[in-house]
Amino acid sequence: GAVVSQHPSWVICKSGTSVKIECRSLDFQATTMFWYRQFPKQSLMLMATSNEGSKATYEQGVEKDKFLINHASLTLSTLTVTSAHPEDSSFYICSAPGDTEAFFGQGTRLTVV
Amino acid sequence: DAKTTQPTSMDCAEGRAANLPCNHSTISGNEYVYWYRQIHSQGPQYIIHGLKNNETNEMASLIITEDRKSSTLILPHATLRDTAVYYCISPLGGGNKLTFGTGTQLKVEL
Repeated sequence: GAVVSQHPSWVICKSGTSVKIECRSLDFQATTMFWYRQFPKQSLMLMATSNEGSKATYEQGVEKDKFLINHASLTLSTLTVTSAHPEDSSFYICSAPGDTEAFFGQGTRLTVV
Repeated sequence: DAKTTQPTSMDCAEGRAANLPCNHSTISGNEYVYWYRQIHSQGPQYIIHGLKNNETNEMASLIITEDRKSSTLILPHATLRDTAVYYCISPLGGGNKLTFGTGTQLKVEL
């Protein structure tokens, strides 16, 4: 089946630095990808929709200047957490749509210290 | 998305069938029911989906009531590896932009 790969699987960064997370569709093209965030013991929350060749669409309450999304090709979307702070520590997950179901990456555990 | 309601948690003995219920009483005629699961610290995994007919695949069976107001996901022979949070979702406009509820934490035990 279709595979979506995220990199890195986990990252620890210092407060104030930026972190880039990559989401790749390995064997199919994705004009749209979705980014979710999940805090401990909570469900996934949709952050934004990444659109190839155009601006991302952000959900209400998500700061677009803090969570930069780039979808430069049909197989790659990136999420950059800028000026990360401890409250940004979370599990970030991307997904890409298939014909009938969504395919998810394995997630990226971000810890900001 | 149609609102879905699931029990917070369930336990199941290994080897037994796990039956996970979901209520979606406000579902409209063209909205599918999707099931995903999330094993701890991993991304969600698609299990099965259906519209009004019962469905079966290599992972599970999906039983949808005739009025479509509820459904049940059946794992016929649960194993320890099936311990996960199971999400029942009825996405508006297709199966890709998903709104996750709290899901059901299934714990499969010896």
